[in-house]
Amino acid sequence: NAGVTQTPKFRVLKTGQSMTLLCAQDMNHEYMYWYRQDPGMGLRLIHYSVGEGTTAKGEVPDGYNVSRLKKQNFLLGLESAAPSQTSVYFCASSYPNRGTEAFFGQGTRLTVV
Amino acid sequence: AQSVTQLGSHVSVSEGALVLLRCNYSSSVPPYLFWYVQYPNQGLQLLLKYTSAATLVKGINGFEAEFKKSETSFHLTKPSAHMSDAAEYFCAVSDQAGTALIFGKGTTLSVSS
Repeated sequence: NAGVTQTPKFRVLKTGQSMTLLCAQDMNHEYMYWYRQDPGMGLRLIHYSVGEGTTAKGEVPDGYNVSRLKKQNFLLGLESAAPSQTSVYFCASSYPNRGTEAFFGQGTRLTVV
Repeated sequence: AQSVTQLGSHVSVSEGALVLLRCNYSSSVPPYLFWYVQYPNQGLQLLLKYTSAATLVKGINGFEAEFKKSETSFHLTKPSAHMSDAAEYFCAVSDQAGTALIFGKGTTLSVSS
């Protein structure tokens, strides 16, 4: 059982380049999330989705776009990367219940130079 | 709005000593609370969660946490630290709508022999 899988695991981008991070889950979860983790900042929510075809902004959405065309996939896009987007990105998924936990992927380490 | 505050960004203990990691929450509704652990270069793994069933919650790897409404706290404890417990620990609260988890800034636990 793979759980939540993120692709790629590492990436180096030049300022201004674009890229897409892919998240796939095989647990039939309704909800999916993208977080970024920075030293001393914990995890901050970028965007989330409560179902196929729906997305919403989280705490730090600027500079990112997302799409959820299929229930099992959640894509995070950076249209024009900036050094401030250097971070570790985590995808997570969960059932639609306030007391349920989120399951996390292994993370993508992105460096923008 | 919901939030969590983790007191102490870094905690150091000796092997065999008590582990105490502090988390205080703020919530406008009855909270659902979580503790996650992150080992180096890995994703987040659920340690335990509080969903109002019992105030003392037991988790994996010998950890437990006690929900204290009067103190708005959900501190994580382990009676005897092991070298393998060295990791970063995150406290989280479910947001009011139940659509995402809100994380604290994390506490790094170091264990010395």
